[in-house]
Amino acid sequence: DTGVSQDPRHKITKRGQNVTFRCDPISEHNRLYWYRQTLGQGPEFLTYFQNEAQLEKSRLLSDRFSAERPKGSFSTLEIQRTEQGDSAMYLCACSRGLSNQPQHFGDGTRLSIL
Amino acid sequence: KNEVEQSPQNLTAQEGEFITINCSYSVGISALHWLQQHPGGGIVSLFMLSSGKKKHGRLIATINIQEKHSSLHITASHPRDSAVYICAVGGSNYKLTFGKGTLLTVNP
Repeated sequence: DTGVSQDPRHKITKRGQNVTFRCDPISEHNRLYWYRQTLGQGPEFLTYFQNEAQLEKSRLLSDRFSAERPKGSFSTLEIQRTEQGDSAMYLCACSRGLSNQPQHFGDGTRLSIL
Repeated sequence: KNEVEQSPQNLTAQEGEFITINCSYSVGISALHWLQQHPGGGIVSLFMLSSGKKKHGRLIATINIQEKHSSLHITASHPRDSAVYICAVGGSNYKLTFGKGTLLTVNP
């Protein structure tokens, strides 16, 4: 169990640029979740995958956001044409695909839009 | 009204004190999670429970399904317990809905 790895840890970019984050979950954890957390708030659900299938997307995930998990292992979250309101911590979590398992979180990617 | 409400928002205690953080929720759940978040972002799962009570070291979590309420207790608090404690509830698809968190500061 090597833990959940997220890359990069920090990303600073100008408004309008595209950014991509990567999450490497614990191997054999076939559920993968993306959450977003703004300062002083709890995380909010964005989307989740069961293996390579994206099963649910939040209304928070506008058309500028896309997530993939092409081989059912690592996942990427891309934000196109970033806006200042996208500044947040983006958290990835994973769990085994059985009924009710604890979720294991990565350390997150902190995005700052200038 | 948020689906998950925590209280208090901020809590300051002296080392050794008994601490209680409360969580109320308004939706049906399959499990409730207590999480710990240290500065810098990392989140650690402390407990996942759907009934009764769980204990791990100095931490105790309880849940009352009928009242839709859970509590996290810390006995003999220590400065290293200082963190944000987050309550989250999971539904049938296991995605989590989070409270805003309780910032705990334990002074030596």
